[in-house]
Amino acid sequence: GESVGLHLPTLSVQEGDNSIINCAYSNSASDYFIWYKQESGKGPQFIIDIRSNMDKRQGQRVTVLLNKTVKHLSLQIAATQPGDSAVYFCAENIDFGNEKLTFGTGTRLTIIP
Amino acid sequence: DAGVTQSPTHLIKTRGQQVTLRCSPKSGHDTVSWYQQALGQGPQFIFQYYEEEERQRGNFPDRFSGHQFPNYSSELNVNALLLGDSALYLCASSSLSRPQETQYFGPGTRLLVL
Repeated sequence: GESVGLHLPTLSVQEGDNSIINCAYSNSASDYFIWYKQESGKGPQFIIDIRSNMDKRQGQRVTVLLNKTVKHLSLQIAATQPGDSAVYFCAENIDFGNEKLTFGTGTRLTIIP
Repeated sequence: DAGVTQSPTHLIKTRGQQVTLRCSPKSGHDTVSWYQQALGQGPQFIFQYYEEEERQRGNFPDRFSGHQFPNYSSELNVNALLLGDSALYLCASSSLSRPQETQYFGPGTRLLVL
């Protein structure tokens, strides 16, 4: 079945540098995409979302880019901090709102002091 | 304002047993979704409850069942436990009347089946 996948399972970044986490999705019908951060022993925490009618959305220190042509999603974290160390998941759903989310495997981001 | 809460935090069961996990949604939310997260994997959707009925279901066997109560809290029941049911079970709440809001996840219940 169609699912969300990630290019890299791990990513190490120097503190203060920018991080880019990538995600590929295969369901062209997906309408809504979300990035979650999951720290050890905790549930996923919402970071930022984007609808399919947008290409870019910015939040505090984070930017999500959506390229529907190649079905690619990325999360950019500016000036990474030690607290950014976590596993990051992208998730998609085919109906904006409260339908089921399909998650990828995740990327573990490690910040090097 | 309390977020999504789940109980218990950890649980150990043996094969063949039954387990019940509980979830209280975020205040103001009326919809509860359950996810299973195996170690090193992303969460997998089990089912969603709204108005005390199962609204959507993922690819999970009938051993997985649920319930939603009038106060919107929910239970996940798993019968005839298998070793492969060992996972972190996550509850997420949302509001169908406010679809612009995303789902909020609880801390999860870690289930170990021996």
